[in-house]
Amino acid sequence: DAGITQSPRYKITETGRQVTLMCHQTWSHSYMFWYRQDLGHGLRLIYYSAAADITDKGEVPDGYVVSRSKTENFPLTLESATRSQTSVYFCASNTGTEAFFGQGTRLTVV
Amino acid sequence: DAKTTQPTSMDCAEGRAANLPCNHSTISGNEYVYWYRQIHSQGPQYIIHGLKNNETNEMASLIITEDRKSSTLILPHATLRDTAVYYCIVRVNDYKLSFGAGTTVTVRA
Repeated sequence: DAGITQSPRYKITETGRQVTLMCHQTWSHSYMFWYRQDLGHGLRLIYYSAAADITDKGEVPDGYVVSRSKTENFPLTLESATRSQTSVYFCASNTGTEAFFGQGTRLTVV
Repeated sequence: DAKTTQPTSMDCAEGRAANLPCNHSTISGNEYVYWYRQIHSQGPQYIIHGLKNNETNEMASLIITEDRKSSTLILPHATLRDTAVYYCIVRVNDYKLSFGAGTTVTVRA
């Protein structure tokens, strides 16, 4: 099915562990994004990518790493998870006139 | 990006039109008005966008004032499934969207 897929949908991890959230799009949109959403803060941009091998920081990049070796994939890695990274994470791709969001990954760091 | 102001919340009766206002008095000439919505627990969904002309699609209509300092999103026949947070965003393009608090719209039967 065409679209943008995030995995896993739910994840519980321990403080200090590395965890990777996956994002895959079936189109060939150049731009991809990672947002986090917390109560009281709304959606905040973590990282974005304009094309394969081109990434840049968003509003809240600390503690996160991204890569984009292929146009269709944009994984987000928490190098050493902290409780403050408990959140819902949304991946998106963009045509320039319309953004498409995944269903989100609910991450809990205990 | 131009700052936008939206009401915090609003109610609407099912079957009636829902008119969602957005003020963007500092909008620049090359900035578009985008509307997205987020239904509970889902990712945001694109609704419509416009520059200065009124726009309509299968989901909604967008009315932009002549001075472009405000706009209204119209859901012509609101249903319970339209209950969501609606975001008005002003940007030159659709990249790097910045979401504010939006308007929580509750459609009541």
